[in-house]
Amino acid sequence: AQSVSQHNHHVILSEAASLELGCNYSYGGTVNLFWYVQYPGQHLQLLLKYFSGDPLVKGIKGFEAEFIKSKFSFNLRKPSVQWSDTAEYFCAVNAGNNRKLIWGLGTSLAVNP
Amino acid sequence: DAGVIQSPRHEVTEMGQEVTLRCKPISGHNSLFWYRQTMMRGLELLIYFNNNVPIDDSGMPEDRFSAKMPNASFSTLKIQPSEPRDSAVYFCASSFGLAGIQETQYFGPGTRLLVL
Repeated sequence: AQSVSQHNHHVILSEAASLELGCNYSYGGTVNLFWYVQYPGQHLQLLLKYFSGDPLVKGIKGFEAEFIKSKFSFNLRKPSVQWSDTAEYFCAVNAGNNRKLIWGLGTSLAVNP
Repeated sequence: DAGVIQSPRHEVTEMGQEVTLRCKPISGHNSLFWYRQTMMRGLELLIYFNNNVPIDDSGMPEDRFSAKMPNASFSTLKIQPSEPRDSAVYFCASSFGLAGIQETQYFGPGTRLLVL
């Protein structure tokens, strides 16, 4: 069965620290990859997505993610986090022609000012 | 655009009662998704519709759960009878695109359900 694994469940950083959140999936074919973010008290919103082309994807608010097919990974990065990045981050994968998104359990990020 | 609208935002009910959650997708979107979010299981897809037709309801936990989409602008998720383990945040999301194409899902604010 397809699955998505987010390695870090809780991350605590200080402002200006660099961020990398891991995401691995289990599916050998064509995939579409997403990172969603849920800020406190707000609904889920798209951060960035990868469908094809350049494996380094840039999203909103300075986030980027790199698709490494050989590693089945789509890690999220930001060079310098801000307090406002405190949120829950979800990785999701849509495999093949399946309209369903398979979701990771999420990573809770807390950024201390 | 108002985005995906869900009601109620909060619901507290007693075990055994019927609960109805409502969703209005973004106008023009042709797919609608119902999710449940809990601390233990994360975000789970319950059911999704395409052009008002249920495509996959394999995520619906049991017969107590049912969902309908009578038209393109409205969907309901019903739990009858409700149980304490149904307590969760229920999200509705909508998207536009062809089957299998990479659509972005737009989420509503969620309904926080507490069953006592």
